[in-house]
Amino acid sequence: KAGVTQTPRYLIKTRGQQVTLSCSPISGHRSVSWYQQTPGQGLQFLFEYFSETQRNKGNFPGRFSGRQFSNSRSEMNVSTLELGDSALYLCASSLEPTSPNYGYTFGSGTRLTVV
Amino acid sequence: GEDVEQSLFLSVREGDSSVINCTYTDSSSTYLYWYKQEPGAGLQLLTYIFSNMDMKQDQRLTVLLNKKDKHLSLRIADTQTGDSAIYFCAESIGSNYQLIWGAGTKLIIKP
Repeated sequence: KAGVTQTPRYLIKTRGQQVTLSCSPISGHRSVSWYQQTPGQGLQFLFEYFSETQRNKGNFPGRFSGRQFSNSRSEMNVSTLELGDSALYLCASSLEPTSPNYGYTFGSGTRLTVV
Repeated sequence: GEDVEQSLFLSVREGDSSVINCTYTDSSSTYLYWYKQEPGAGLQLLTYIFSNMDMKQDQRLTVLLNKKDKHLSLRIADTQTGDSAIYFCAESIGSNYQLIWGAGTKLIIKP
């Protein structure tokens, strides 16, 4: 069974540009969460989607947005990139949001570098 | 607000036991998790414990939960080089089971 797939694996962008990251969850998983991981801040929750609806949102500015499609695939978008947005962006999927005993399955992440 | 704290590093000798500690602030947490992140990879769920339990054992892994002190630990018996990774503690809180994460503990294995 395929795992959580994130594309691209690596990305270099310039300040002010915008970027879209993609996440394909495990087949049958309907919940997708996004995290930003940096050495200084650790793992920061961005948002969670379930059945195409944003269910939870972390404390990030409006430049960070996301969406989920009917096939559960999700994208996140960051507009007007800043140097501080350089991070590893992780996507995690689960069967549904209220299935904590299953935990989350993470992808390998997209490493975004803003120059 | 809610907070989960872990030491940043732990160094142990191969074959010894590793004990990674975590403290949390929200007493209403329902589940507590341990995840492992190897270099260049995402996080992998190792084990979890429900908040009404005080211990869970799974092969080389033992999780201890002290609800009174809001303290969670992960013990890895007979630590091997393959256990080198960053270990994250997380708690789920609220009706949405939102996860609050620790900063991760890097486990370093000495030969």
